[in-house]
Amino acid sequence: GENVEQHPSTLSVQEGDSAVIKCTYSDSASNYFPWYKQELGKRPQLIIDIRSNVGEKKDQRIAVTLNKTAKHFSLHITETQPEDSAVYFCAAPDMDSNYQLIWGAGTKLIIKP
Amino acid sequence: DVKVTQSSRYLVKRTGEKVFLECVQDMDHENMFWYRQDPGLGLRLIYFSYDVKMKEKGDIPEGYSVSREKKERFSLILESASTNQTSMYLCASLLAGGPVREQFFGPGTRLTVL
Repeated sequence: GENVEQHPSTLSVQEGDSAVIKCTYSDSASNYFPWYKQELGKRPQLIIDIRSNVGEKKDQRIAVTLNKTAKHFSLHITETQPEDSAVYFCAAPDMDSNYQLIWGAGTKLIIKP
Repeated sequence: DVKVTQSSRYLVKRTGEKVFLECVQDMDHENMFWYRQDPGLGLRLIYFSYDVKMKEKGDIPEGYSVSREKKERFSLILESASTNQTSMYLCASLLAGGPVREQFFGPGTRLTVL
């Protein structure tokens, strides 16, 4: 089955700098890779996702890149702001199931003023 | 706007009690999930339901059961609560067959078992 590893577990960056979170997956058949953001005390929410037929996707200050050969995908946040402080989760589909996701362990992003 | 609600934000129970956590979604989603969230362990799937009265075990079903009698409601049951079930419980729903596979989460229930 699918296995997803996420690094780092904690990331502290200066406000205005960029942040990069990386995930690796094991099942080469995986075709959908979402990123969720969970602010303190709130529910996880989808912020961006990418499908396996695309190498990169951008939405304002966030972008996700996918390297299918190496089986890893990354979340990039540029010009970080205090409101980017949160826990970020990556996920990949469980290809043995129609709708289940296998989740990374999460990255706590801290934006230093 | 999808709304997923959970019956309690905070719950304190005693060891051995039977505990019911309820989740309701208002968007006619076929799929519903119960996760457990612990620091450093991400989101671990307890049970999944893809239709009324249908359920599948997730990664950590031991000590839990579920009930889906109506499409909008998915209940998680701790038959005999134990201290190692102290955790944050998150419910989620997902539209089946759509182009977007976004899971919509409830606000979570923080359960403490004493």
